[in-house]
Amino acid sequence: NAGVTQTPKFQVLKTGQSMTLQCAQDMNHNSMYWYRQDPGMGLRLIYYSASEGTTDKGEVPNGYNVSRLNKREFSLRLESAAPSQTSVYFCASKHPAPGELFFGEGSRLTVL
Amino acid sequence: GENVEQHPSTLSVQEGDSAVIKCTYSDSASNYFPWYKQELGKRPQLIIDIRSNVGEKKDQRIAVTLNKTAKHFSLHITETQPEDSAVYFCAPRAGGGSNYKLTFGKGTLLTVNP
Repeated sequence: NAGVTQTPKFQVLKTGQSMTLQCAQDMNHNSMYWYRQDPGMGLRLIYYSASEGTTDKGEVPNGYNVSRLNKREFSLRLESAAPSQTSVYFCASKHPAPGELFFGEGSRLTVL
Repeated sequence: GENVEQHPSTLSVQEGDSAVIKCTYSDSASNYFPWYKQELGKRPQLIIDIRSNVGEKKDQRIAVTLNKTAKHFSLHITETQPEDSAVYFCAPRAGGGSNYKLTFGKGTLLTVNP
């Protein structure tokens, strides 16, 4: 039982490049999330997926797209990376009751 | 959406002292009140949570208290130890099947000095 698995753990991009962060969970949770974490800003919600087949914007969705590929997988795509997207990204899935979030180990992204 | 504030943003205590972190929220429909701990370089993990039908919950050295009238809940850590040093986040949530947009406080950096 691996929980929530994110790849890659580290990535360096140049401005304008694209990439996809992958996330998979093996806990059969319906809801999945992508957060970004910046110093002093806490965890900010980028996108979430309440269930397979649905996605919704969070607080900071600009510059990102997501795909809920199936119940297990929820990917985050940066189409044209910008230095402002340098951050640590966390994927999470939510236990249905009472609602604990289980996080992946995080992906540290640097955009030069 | 939910407005969540945590205070203080940083807290430094001596080993053995108590620490209290407060979280205020805006949505009166909130009914689930968790606290997460994030050690340096690690992922956030749930350490304690409380439901709105309970005023206080304790688990060894940590406790959470809830004041629904005033819309705040607090994390209490007694007999602090160096391994309690971390960032702590609150993430109150309204119940029901439709509320999936989970907002975190900005975090409180707790430093426990030996």
